[in-house]
Amino acid sequence: KAGVTQTPRYLIKTRGQQVTLSCSPISGHRSVSWYQQTPGQGLQFLFEYFSETQRNKGNFPGRFSGRQFSNSRSEMNVSTLELGDSALYLCASSTREAEAFFGQGTRLTVV
Amino acid sequence: GDSVTQMEGPVTLSEEAFLTINCTYTATGYPSLFWYVQYPGEGLQLLLKATKADDKGSNKGFEATYRKETTSFHLEKGSVQVSDSAVYFCALSRGDSSYKLIFGSGTRLLVRP
Repeated sequence: KAGVTQTPRYLIKTRGQQVTLSCSPISGHRSVSWYQQTPGQGLQFLFEYFSETQRNKGNFPGRFSGRQFSNSRSEMNVSTLELGDSALYLCASSTREAEAFFGQGTRLTVV
Repeated sequence: GDSVTQMEGPVTLSEEAFLTINCTYTATGYPSLFWYVQYPGEGLQLLLKATKADDKGSNKGFEATYRKETTSFHLEKGSVQVSDSAVYFCALSRGDSSYKLIFGSGTRLLVRP
């Protein structure tokens, strides 16, 4: 069974640009969550989607958005990038028992 | 709000030493508790979980027991190996129609040969 796939693995963007990250969950998993990992703040929850509906959202500004498609694949978008958005962005798909399986992440660097 | 507190790292041990990483939580109700491990350059891997009080999760020689009376979920291993060197995260999930995970700050473990 294929794991969670995140693309791209690495990104370098300039301040003010926008970026879209992609996540393909494990087949059969309907829940996809996104997390931001930084050395200073640790792992912070961004949002969760289940069957194309956002059912939970973390405390991030509106520049951070996401969506989920009918095949459960998910994307997150960050607009008007700031230097502080540099982080590892992790996507996870979950079983019904709330076991989360993570992708390898997308390393975003904003310069 | 809900939170998870882990012991500060790094924890440095010699191979075959006993490992304990402390984790305590604050949450209402009965959350599920998890330990995740992150190797360099990788995402997180589920190590073990427990879903109710007194449950013991175990995997690859690691164990943790859900202690509701002390709101703790300490990670233990009897004999660590160099390959166990990684960052370990304790986490909870309320499970109330959401799979959102709340993580502790992580504890880096370094095992020396």
